[in-house]
Amino acid sequence: GAVVSQHPSRVICKSGTSVKIECRSLDFQATTMFWYRQFPKQSLMLMATSNEGSKATYEQGVEKDKFLINHASLTLSTLTVTSAHPEDSSFYICSAGLEVALHFGNGTRLTVT
Amino acid sequence: GENVEQHPSTLSVQEGDSAVIKCTYSDSASNYFPWYKQELGKRPQLIIDIRSNVGEKKDQRIAVTLNKTAKHFSLHITETQPEDSAVYFCAASTGGGADGLTFGKGTHLIIQP
Repeated sequence: GAVVSQHPSRVICKSGTSVKIECRSLDFQATTMFWYRQFPKQSLMLMATSNEGSKATYEQGVEKDKFLINHASLTLSTLTVTSAHPEDSSFYICSAGLEVALHFGNGTRLTVT
Repeated sequence: GENVEQHPSTLSVQEGDSAVIKCTYSDSASNYFPWYKQELGKRPQLIIDIRSNVGEKKDQRIAVTLNKTAKHFSLHITETQPEDSAVYFCAASTGGGADGLTFGKGTHLIIQP
């Protein structure tokens, strides 16, 4: 079945630094990928829709200058959390659609100290 | 935009009993309703989905029903097993597929031995 690979699975960084998270579709091409944030015991909140070759579409309230998204190829989207702060600590999950189904990466646990 | 309400937030059932999770949606144009299972610390995985032209769909112990008039859909798990313990998310979209999914807040299903 379709596989979405996300790296790293865990990252700890210091406040003020930037962190890049990669999302790859391993066996299919994805013109669109999605980035979610999930707080403990809460639902998946869509942050942005990543479009190959064009600008990402951000949800209301998500700072596009803080959460930089690049979708340079049909199999790779990256999310960069810039100038990270402790409140950015969360679980970030990417996903890609194949036909009607949405396939998720394993997620990245970001801890900002 | 779409709003998806999910109940209950926590559901505890005895092993072997049935579990029912209910969701309502607000946008009458929604036409695709998937259900995801997320085990602790892992990625959400699609377990079943239904389109608006179908009232019920079944896959072994799992079934989903859809009432378009009332704008609600439900997940039914029969003969529950310990491995069914997880958080379940419903979702709805108007695009007929993975694009633009709005998730419910999730239901923590606990199977009591």
